[in-house]
Amino acid sequence: NAGVMQNPRHLVRRRGQEARLRCSPMKGHSHVYWYRQLPEEGLKFMVYLQKENIIDESGMPKERFSAEFPKEGPSILRIQQVVRGDSAAYFCASSSQALNTEAFFGQGTRLTVV
Amino acid sequence: DQQVKQNSPSLSVQEGRISILNCDYTNSMFDYFLWYKKYPAEGPTFLISISSIKDKNEDGRFTVFLNKSAKHLSLHIVPSQPGDSAVYFCAASAFKAGTALIFGKGTTLSVSS
Repeated sequence: NAGVMQNPRHLVRRRGQEARLRCSPMKGHSHVYWYRQLPEEGLKFMVYLQKENIIDESGMPKERFSAEFPKEGPSILRIQQVVRGDSAAYFCASSSQALNTEAFFGQGTRLTVV
Repeated sequence: DQQVKQNSPSLSVQEGRISILNCDYTNSMFDYFLWYKKYPAEGPTFLISISSIKDKNEDGRFTVFLNKSAKHLSLHIVPSQPGDSAVYFCAASAFKAGTALIFGKGTTLSVSS
């Protein structure tokens, strides 16, 4: 009965490279949320997805960032042409229904851009 | 424009005493509120939640109070234990608006023995 799995736990990328962060939700969960935590900051909402659909991407930067949650496989958060300011901890959460319920978090991916 | 605010960055409490963590929100559409606990280098862990139709929810040592008119909620931990030392995040969502969980910046609780 695995929880939310994120990989990799740590990712180092050079400026200009692409970063791919993966999130496998808990079994039976079809709702996935991505959050970013900058140093000394709270968890900032980025995007909310259901299987094959983006429900709310109001927190995601318009450029370089994209997310998907395909019918099969994990949810992917992709950051193209990374910059130093993208260095942060990225957390994924999943829930069994839309809102009004607790979401369970993974352990996060710490992205460092050098 | 912070919709969920935790105005105290830190709180220190002695073991056995009550810890009270506060949270204010601005969006009157929020109808579901949660508290999460986070240790360094780990993901947040769900603690307790409350729906806007209630004003109190209790689970063991943890109680959440909601004052809708004041747009304020609080988490009470009693008695506090050293293992409770962590960052506590308040979060809110608005089902009708389809808003995903919005988090405050967190309060670091330190419980000394």
